Order: sequence, then structure tokens, then C-alpha cells
Amino acid sequence: SQTIHQWPATLVQPVGSPLSLECTVEGTSNPNLYWYRQAAGRGLQLLFYSVGIGQISSEVPQNLSASRPQDRQFILSSKKLLLSDSGFYLCAWSSPSPLHFGNGTRLTVT
Amino acid sequence: AQSVTQPDIHITVSEGASLELRCNYSYGATPYLFWYVQSPGQGLQLLLKYFSGDTLVQGIKGFEAEFKRSQSSFNLRKPSVHWSDAAEYFCAVVLNSGYSTLTFGKGTMLLVSP
Repeated sequence: SQTIHQWPATLVQPVGSPLSLECTVEGTSNPNLYWYRQAAGRGLQLLFYSVGIGQISSEVPQNLSASRPQDRQFILSSKKLLLSDSGFYLCAWSSPSPLHFGNGTRLTVT
Repeated sequence: AQSVTQPDIHITVSEGASLELRCNYSYGATPYLFWYVQSPGQGLQLLLKYFSGDTLVQGIKGFEAEFKRSQSSFNLRKPSVHWSDAAEYFCAVVLNSGYSTLTFGKGTMLLVSP
């Protein structure tokens, strides 16, 4: 069966520091991969999605970037975190439907 | 513009009572429809989905949802709520299989009273 791993579960980072969140999927090939952010009272916001290695689409201009170095690996990064980057980040996959989510990373930027 | 509306931010239901969570969408065509549930600090778990066919779909944990094209609605129901159902529920829609267009509602928080 397919599983998705996302880490770390929680992260506290100072403003201006870099960020790297990792997500891996097992049990499927060539999945579509997604990064969502969930802020209190604002629902889920799609940040990036990828349909293949090296193929990244950005939905919202921001301080973040994403990369897909391997078929089942999706990384969310930032060179310098802002206070507004705080939130709950969720990785998801589909092949092709429906979406399956990881357990999320709670990021607090201080 | 395409949108998904969950009109109830919070709902409180007594344990054992029935539940209906509302979801309305605004799309030019019939989308694919989903309901997800999220427990505090966790990811989203798929409860059920509608792609086509029978408009009443059954999901996990005793939930069902009915697609009503005339009302552009996809309401989630459960005949008898358990305390463990307390969570946040999200309706989501996508116009086609391209999930870049998946749109979520802002969620409904379900509280279950004893």
C-alpha cells in the first residue's frame, strides 16, 4: 500500500533562517505531488505541485520554493524565513486521484 | 470565479444525534467532489468522493454525502455522531483530473457534546 512520510512534525525557526521540509511517498510511481499551507481561519492554500521530476508549478508568489529531485521526493525550501511563513504545511500525493495527505509540519517562525 | 463555500464555521451536535455539513460550489460544470476530515495537528483524511454515477456516495466511518446538481451542493451526513467524530471537515472540488485546480472550502469545525 501507499504511504506518505513528512518531516519534521514540528519546527521552530528564527526569522531569516533557511527552511527545508521533506516529503516522500512509497508504494507508487510517478505520483503528482503537492505542498499546501494551512493558516488559521484561511483554509488550505496550494503552494506548489509537481507532475514529474524537476517539474514544479508555483501557485502563489512567495518566499518559498519547491524541488523534486527524485520521483517520490518533494522538498519545500526557503532561503530566509519570514514571520508570515508560519503555518501548517501539508504534503500530498495523487496518482491520479484522489489526494492523500501527510501528517503535516507545524512551522513557527519567531 | 470558481469557489467552494462551507457556510458553517462551527457546528455543535449532541452525541448520537444526526449530522449534516453543508458544501456549495460555484463552477461552470459538474466538478469532482470530496470530503476530508482533519483531527487536530494531523493531516487530512479522505472520507468520500464523487466522480459520477449514483449521487449518494458512501464513505468511511459511517459518513455519506449526496450530490445535488440543481443546488450545486455536496452535503455530508451521518445518522448518529460519535464523540470521536469531533474534528474539522473540509469540502473540496476539482473541475477535472488536473489537481492543480483543487479548491478547498474553509472548513467546518464539528464539536460533539455529551
